[in-house]
Amino acid sequence: EVQLVESGGGLVHPGGSLRLSCAASGFTFSNYEMNWVRQAPGKGLEWVSYITATGATVYYADSVRGRFTFSRDNAKNSLYLQMSSLRAEDTAVYYCARADRTGFVFEHWGRGILVTVSS
Amino acid sequence: EIVLTQSPATLSLSPGEGATLSCRASQSVSSYLAWYQQKPGQAPRLLIYGASNRATGIPARFSGSGSGTDFTLTISSLEPEDFGVYYCQQWSNWPPSYSFGQGTKLEIK
Repeated sequence: EVQLVESGGGLVHPGGSLRLSCAASGFTFSNYEMNWVRQAPGKGLEWVSYITATGATVYYADSVRGRFTFSRDNAKNSLYLQMSSLRAEDTAVYYCARADRTGFVFEHWGRGILVTVSS
Repeated sequence: EIVLTQSPATLSLSPGEGATLSCRASQSVSSYLAWYQQKPGQAPRLLIYGASNRATGIPARFSGSGSGTDFTLTISSLEPEDFGVYYCQQWSNWPPSYSFGQGTKLEIK
């Protein structure tokens, strides 16, 4: 069974930093592209970032480019999202999501982790 | 940037009725269109990929259609567990990105 478990969320002040992690199991992690998707309270879904299976290529949404860094450690079956210069509008539940074989859709999702940016 | 617009914003129906949800793209996305269901407090669940292919374990009452800019998710006969928010999603190769529609809330009438 595919499992994705996010951790590292919490309350952070504006301008601060936070690192999210996602632990993957139940599949061959190094074969799959991965993503982060977020959802502000009461709002819709917003794609945040994508990483290739090897970690060699990463794409970001305009809203986070230059502030967030997405990486992975295939030896540890883990993803990391380093978030800096955080703003109130970054407050959201952050989901890690595994792409399907095509990379075009989000086939499996974690339960999500809440990040709150507030003074 | 491709914008997805879903309609209606809210759909109020009774169990047993059929539901039709729409998603329109601001430019062609070919068949790179997926649908997700989300219930309160839960992560989204993939329903349809490639515009018309049901994901693993999704009941046959869910079907997707369309290509280019206009897409439809049809639920043939609503079950109580089908109520929630439905999102469409597209992938584009330049700039490399994904986007979601704003969602359609399917509620019990």
